[in-house]
Amino acid sequence: ILNVEQSPQSLHVQEGDSTNFTCSFPSSNFYALHWYRWETAKSPEALFVMTLNGDEKKKGRISATLNTKEGYSYLYIKGSQPEDSATYLCAPESGGSNYKLTFGKGTLLTVNP
Amino acid sequence: DVKVTQSSRYLVKRTGEKVFLECVQDMDHENMFWYRQDPGLGLRLIYFSYDVKMKEKGDIPEGYSVSREKKERFSLILESASTNQTSMYLCASSLRNYGYTFGSGTRLTVV
Repeated sequence: ILNVEQSPQSLHVQEGDSTNFTCSFPSSNFYALHWYRWETAKSPEALFVMTLNGDEKKKGRISATLNTKEGYSYLYIKGSQPEDSATYLCAPESGGSNYKLTFGKGTLLTVNP
Repeated sequence: DVKVTQSSRYLVKRTGEKVFLECVQDMDHENMFWYRQDPGLGLRLIYFSYDVKMKEKGDIPEGYSVSREKKERFSLILESASTNQTSMYLCASSLRNYGYTFGSGTRLTVV
């Protein structure tokens, strides 16, 4: 079982604040790193799939970076809005794993209006 | 959009019952997965399948089995339900490099 660590466990910010979270994962046998957003009462939704060291991806106000050599990824949210409130999950994918993902426990973000 | 449909949103079963959770996807994905989600433990992989009739154990397969007779359908079977299997069950399907598409989940309560 891969050891995936996400920090912080939870975060409360004010509307308009920018924030970031960390995902740490084993760097050996790395294939890809996935980020998901999971809103209450909904299904997890894929945000990014990143494969290359130094990769940066952006979707609106959300962006992510990847360092495969040291085994971490950052997710950034610029100008947080209440609708960004959700649990953010990361999941590394190993080579030869038949596409299965091991999820971290997530970072619960609450954005206060 | 890919759609992953789980047959029940809420389910209540008795201890010892055989329980079937059904999942259907409509985009011809090879890979399908069953996870359970418990507070403080996150999403944990039970079983997955990368082709029809193919299955592999995930991290917590004990007490479960699966069936994939058709590409679009992946069933999770609780052979004899126990109270420690009370949980939220999520099905997902995927094409590599495009992330998973999840169903809306089945909240199972075993009494």
